[in-house]
Amino acid sequence: AQRVTQPEKLLSVFKGAPVELKCNYSYSGSPELFWYVQYSRQRLQLLLRHISRESIKGFTADLNKGETSFHLKKPFAQEEDSAMYYCALEGAGSSNTGKLIFGQGTTLQVKP
Amino acid sequence: EPEVTQTPSHQVTQMGQEVILRCVPISNHLYFYWYRQILGQKVEFLVSFYNNEISEKSEIFDDQFSVERPDGSNFTLKIRSTKLEDSAMYFCASRIYPGTEAFFGQGTRLTVV
Repeated sequence: AQRVTQPEKLLSVFKGAPVELKCNYSYSGSPELFWYVQYSRQRLQLLLRHISRESIKGFTADLNKGETSFHLKKPFAQEEDSAMYYCALEGAGSSNTGKLIFGQGTTLQVKP
Repeated sequence: EPEVTQTPSHQVTQMGQEVILRCVPISNHLYFYWYRQILGQKVEFLVSFYNNEISEKSEIFDDQFSVERPDGSNFTLKIRSTKLEDSAMYFCASRIYPGTEAFFGQGTRLTVV
């Protein structure tokens, strides 16, 4: 079964502290993994995806196929990083319709 | 910057009534989706739509639900006879093709009373 697990509902850190938002997935194949972010009163938007291997707003995420994880990291949190973060999985292959399977989401709260 | 727009932002309806949620996807996108999020729960996939037909639907998307793209720009989700448990935030999304960035609308909050 395809599943995404984000074990933490809330992660609270102080400004300048490192951040790691955990994401584990279950998929029998090679999925595409994404992190989406929703800032207060804004729409869901893409933060980053594993195939691009970019760093966006200081965030990085490495796909670990052995541990089936795609944790999101940032070395120094900023107050403006406070938001809801969703890890999402998309199946690969010719029958892929592009549906996204989301984790439960983690609220990141960065305190001054 | 182009964006996905959804109307209305909030809809209150009586149980048993039909509702239509509307979305205008980004114009050059080919794949369209509806998701929903019940309060306090995860965002769940409902249906994907490509080439004027449903390409995949979830177990949630039963006979009470339907989608259509009537005029080449709007993408609608109809719930024929709403139930209390249909109360949720409904998100429309579009993308050029699978694997690319999915662009989401602001959502429609549906409240069934």
